Parts: sequence; C-alpha cells; structure tokens
Amino acid sequence: EPEVTQTPSHQVTQMGQEVILRCVPISNHLYFYWYRQILGQKVEFLVSFYNNEISEKSEIFDDQFSVERPDGSNFTLKIRSTKLEDSAMYFCASRLQGSNTIYFGEGSWLTVV
Amino acid sequence: ELKVEQNPLFLSMQEGKNYTIYCNYSTTSDRLYWYRQDPGKSLESLFVLLSNGAVKQEGRLMASLDTKARLSTLHITAAVHDLSATYFCAVDRDKFYFGSGTKLNVKP
Repeated sequence: EPEVTQTPSHQVTQMGQEVILRCVPISNHLYFYWYRQILGQKVEFLVSFYNNEISEKSEIFDDQFSVERPDGSNFTLKIRSTKLEDSAMYFCASRLQGSNTIYFGEGSWLTVV
Repeated sequence: ELKVEQNPLFLSMQEGKNYTIYCNYSTTSDRLYWYRQDPGKSLESLFVLLSNGAVKQEGRLMASLDTKARLSTLHITAAVHDLSATYFCAVDRDKFYFGSGTKLNVKP
C-alpha cells in the first residue's frame, strides 16, 4: 500500500538552529499538509500546499516556518531558528484530488534543547 | 474557527465493558474521521464518515455521524486491552480540525 514517508524520524537540535523535515507524499497526490502535535496534546494544522503554493496556513505557521516542494517528490518543512516550544511531532500528510482520505506519515519527532 | 470537542478526555475501563466516546463540532461538515494513536506513533485511520446517519463498524469499534446534531460517536463493545490508545476525531473543512483526543486505558 502506498504511504507517506518522513525523515528524519527523530531529530535533536540546539535552540536557534535551522531544521528541515522531509516528506515524500504519495506519488499521485496533489494536496500536502503539515501538522504538529506537542507531546500529550492534540494535532494542530500548520499549512496546506497545492499547486506549488501555500493554500492555507495557521497562526502557528509564522515567519520562521516555510515549506517547499524542491522537486517532484519531496515536500519539506523548514524551521529557521528553532525554539524550545517547537519541540513536537510533525506529521506530513497528503491527499489525492477529489478523495476524502488523507494519509499521514509516521511523523518526525523534533526535540529542541 | 471550527471547534471540535471530545469527551471524555480520559477513560479507564475494565475489559469486557462497553463505552462511548463523543465528538461534537461547531460548524456544519459532512466529513468526520476517527483515528487511533499509540504512544509515540502516527495516526491510524479507523473510520471515515461522509454523510448524515453514516454508521461504520470494525471489530469492537463502531462509529456514527449525526450531522444535524454535529455529533459523532465511537462506541466500544466488550473492550479488550489491545484497544488502549488515544482516539481522535477530526472534522474536514478543507483541512482537518482535530479534537483533543480521548486517552483510553483498558484494564485487563
């Protein structure tokens, strides 16, 4: 079964460092998403991406965040200058156009120290 | 902004018992999802409910949707320890709005 893959599965970074989380959505999907889950809390929407541009973003997705689709397969989330409160599990997700099913990756666990 | 509320947030139950988790949401939507999450793991899709009155069952879990009441339920029948996990509902309005989750602990 096709799946969304994410790397790294776990990253520890120093506060203030830049982090790039990578995602490979399912190959024929056109809608991409990043969500965040702080430990023990609910899953929060960060950003959606369609047709090579951001279609919607939440208030969490401030100037320190950016997303990019550098080639035909990868979808990245960059955090420019990490803060302690950025420690969370980050989920990538993708959806086929016209489908009601969204597929989540396994998540990237980011720890900022 | 759409709000999704789940209750209870924590549920401890004995094996063999039945219980229902509730998911209320604040704005009209015809698409409601249930996910299971084990500690440190990703979200496992359980049910996709796409219309008023939709009912789906898988094993000991049954989900239903009442779009008029803006309510979905996840019913657990004869719980077993393997069902221990956190369960999230999510409403789809072009993006997913998740509930706070219900942490279920089924005691053997």
